[in-house]
Amino acid sequence: DGGITQSPKYLFRKEGQNVTLSCEQNLNHDAMYWYRQDPGQGLRLIYYSQIVNDFQKGDIAEGYSVSREKKESFPLTVTSAQKNPTAFYLCASRRGQGNTEAFFGQGTRLTVV
Amino acid sequence: DAKTTQPTSMDCAEGRAANLPCNHSTISGNEYVYWYRQIHSQGPQYIIHGLKNNETNEMASLIITEDRKSSTLILPHATLRDTAVYYCIVRDHGFGNQGGKLIFGQGTELSVKP
Repeated sequence: DGGITQSPKYLFRKEGQNVTLSCEQNLNHDAMYWYRQDPGQGLRLIYYSQIVNDFQKGDIAEGYSVSREKKESFPLTVTSAQKNPTAFYLCASRRGQGNTEAFFGQGTRLTVV
Repeated sequence: DAKTTQPTSMDCAEGRAANLPCNHSTISGNEYVYWYRQIHSQGPQYIIHGLKNNETNEMASLIITEDRKSSTLILPHATLRDTAVYYCIVRDHGFGNQGGKLIFGQGTELSVKP
């Protein structure tokens, strides 16, 4: 089945460790996005990529890094510089320019202890 | 991207129509209105989108005012499964300078009650 997959669903890490969240899509979509969601809050854009080997910062990029070496993959690294990393992380993809909707993964809930 | 304003929460009786408003007074001519919903702890789900004409699909109807400064999402016969947070966003379809951004606001928490 075509879709966008995030893994793992739940992730626990110790404070001070970097952690990488996976996002893979087999929809042949050009654009991919990472969002963070805190309890009772809306989605805030971390990074987005419109094409392979290119990405832009969103509204809350500090403490995060991404790469886009392949069209299908857009991993997000939560670094030790992120002061409050515990959150629900959502990845999305979209076909590209034009009249297209975004498809979301089921999210990764990261807890830093 | 234009900002949107939505009520924080709304209630609706099961079987009745749910009408969710959204203000986007700074929308520009090439920006579309999109609606998504998010059921607790899941990824958001696309519902519908439009530019200036009213739109309808199997999930909902979208009514956009003539001046495009506001819109209303209509769920014609709300069920308990429609309880979710509903997000209205506006965005440019271009892929130019930050044209690909998708910015979500706080959304409206819709509670459908029996």
